[in-house]
This record gives sequence, C-alpha cells and structure tokens, in this order.
Amino acid sequence: GAVVSQHPSWVICKSGTSVKIECRSLDFQATTMFWYRQFPKQSLMLMATSNEGSKATYEQGVEKDKFLINHASLTLSTLTVTSAHPEDSSFYICSAQGLTNTGELFFGEGSRLTVL
Amino acid sequence: QKEVEQNSGPLSVPEGAIASLNCTYSDRGSQSFFWYRQYSGKSPELIMFIYSNGDKEDGRFTAQLNKASQYVSLLIRDSQPSDSATYLCAVTGPSGYSTLTFGKGTMLLVSP
Repeated sequence: GAVVSQHPSWVICKSGTSVKIECRSLDFQATTMFWYRQFPKQSLMLMATSNEGSKATYEQGVEKDKFLINHASLTLSTLTVTSAHPEDSSFYICSAQGLTNTGELFFGEGSRLTVL
Repeated sequence: QKEVEQNSGPLSVPEGAIASLNCTYSDRGSQSFFWYRQYSGKSPELIMFIYSNGDKEDGRFTAQLNKASQYVSLLIRDSQPSDSATYLCAVTGPSGYSTLTFGKGTMLLVSP
C-alpha cells in the first residue's frame, strides 16, 4: 500500500518557539493532504486540507496564522506550529489521499508535540 | 453537517469470540466507508473499506454495509488480544475525493 512518512515522531519545545512537521508521500503523488490533531482519548479532529500549489483550507476554529501549512510539491506538505504554547501539545497526524476514487486515506506515523 | 456515530465502548470480548463494531452515518449521499484501527499513541491504520451494500470479507474481518439504514459494521472473528485497540469508522461524501468524516471510535478490549 501507499506509504506516508511523517517527521519528527516526537518533538519537545519551549513555549513561544515554532515547530515544523513534515509529511511525505513516499511512493505516490498526493495532490491533497490532510492534517489532523488528536488529544488524549479523543477522536481525530481535522485541522486543514492541504492542496498542492494552493492555500490550505482550514476547519472552523483552527487559526491559520498559528498553524501554517505549505504544500509545495506533490509529495510534501508541512505544518508549522508557530509560537507554540502548552495547550498546543497534541498528537498531529497527516494523511494523504490515494488516487483511486474510493477516498481512501493513508496516514503518517504521527508527531507527538510537547510544549513546555 | 455530516455525522458519524459510534459507541465509545469499551466493548469487551473474550479471546476467540466475535467482536461486532457498529457505526451509523447521517449523510445519505456517502459513498465510501472505512474502518481504521488505532492503537494507543499510534496513528490509524486502514483495516478495510466497503462501498457496496452487503458484506466484504478479508481474513478475520468482515465489513457490512446497509445504505438504506445508513449503517456500517465491522465483525472480527476469532478475536485476539492483539486486536485490542480503538476502531474508527470513517465516511466520505458523495464524491470519492471529499474529506473523510471520522467517528469518535469504539474501544475494543479482547481478554485472554
């Protein structure tokens, strides 16, 4: 199956710093990638939909200036958490949609962010 | 607004039993239906998908879809302790390229 790689898996940062998370589709081209956030014992919450070469579409309540998404190529999307605060500590997961018409999503391994 | 409902559980079954996980969805135009398994602290992994009414079997897993009732289920035969995880139901809209809507997941616990 299709492989989506996410990096870093774990990141700890100080409050006020910015953190970049990369999401790569390794063996297929992903025109659309999705970024999710998951708090402990909660469901996946879609943050934004990232389309190659265009601006991301953010879900209601997600600050686009805080969570910067760049999808510069068909295989790479990045999420930058700017001026991170402890409440941003969460599990961030990217996914990419395959090219079949079934809508199947392939998930990255996730990135656990801890903001001190 | 699309909604996907799942019982949060936990659903407890003994090893070797059949586990039945259920999901209902609100968007009658939904086309594709997915079951993902998520272990604690890990990202979801796809178990199987279904888009036609009826049953679809893959090994110990069987997905069942009833579009008239807006109901999709996952059966796990011969449950193993390693099946203990949260199972997420996800649904697309009328277009196969639309965003997946996830349910909150059902926690399954398989006891030895």
